Amino acid sequence: KAGVTQTPRYLIKTRGQQVTLSCSPISGHRSVSWYQQTPGQGLQFLFEYFSETQRNKGNFPGRFSGRQFSNSRSEMNVSTLELGDSALYLCASSLGIAKGTDTQYFGPGTRLTVL
Amino acid sequence: DAKTTQPPSMDCAEGRAANLPCNHSTISGNEYVYWYRQIHSQGPQYIIHGLKNNETNEMASLIITEDRKSSTLILPHATLRDTAVYYCIVRVYNQGGKLIFGQGTELSVKP
Repeated sequence: KAGVTQTPRYLIKTRGQQVTLSCSPISGHRSVSWYQQTPGQGLQFLFEYFSETQRNKGNFPGRFSGRQFSNSRSEMNVSTLELGDSALYLCASSLGIAKGTDTQYFGPGTRLTVL
Repeated sequence: DAKTTQPPSMDCAEGRAANLPCNHSTISGNEYVYWYRQIHSQGPQYIIHGLKNNETNEMASLIITEDRKSSTLILPHATLRDTAVYYCIVRVYNQGGKLIFGQGTELSVKP
């Protein structure tokens, strides 16, 4: 079974631009979570989606948004990019949200560089 | 905030068992302990998780103390490819089950 895939793998943008990152979960998985990883802050939770609904949101500004489609694929968007948004963005999927089905499996990440 | 404490770094000789400790003294009765590892710049890889019983899979063993205040991840025969940052995470379900990563332990397996 294929793992979590993320596209693109690398991205370079300039300040003020916006960016959309895509995540395809493992087949059959219905929950998708997003994380940001930076050298200074480590791995931080962004948001979680299940059945097209946002279940949980981390402590990030409104410039960070996401959505999930009916096929469980998910996108996240960052508007008005800042230099500090340079990071590895990770997507994780799980079968569901109930205990026993909620083990998260991560994709390879999208490396975003903001110049 | 992460509910776990791990040593920042450890070394292990190739072929020997690597024992990675984790302290989670404030864990609640229904909170699971998860272990992930991250090889440089890749996505974290799930290793194992447990509630109170010891667990074993093809990658590792997880030993949880009876009072559940600490646990140890055991890689029985470490190889160079096990060099990675290992994260011990307590899953906090009253926060929606999100994973809260700490700083982890950087394990270096040496020949």
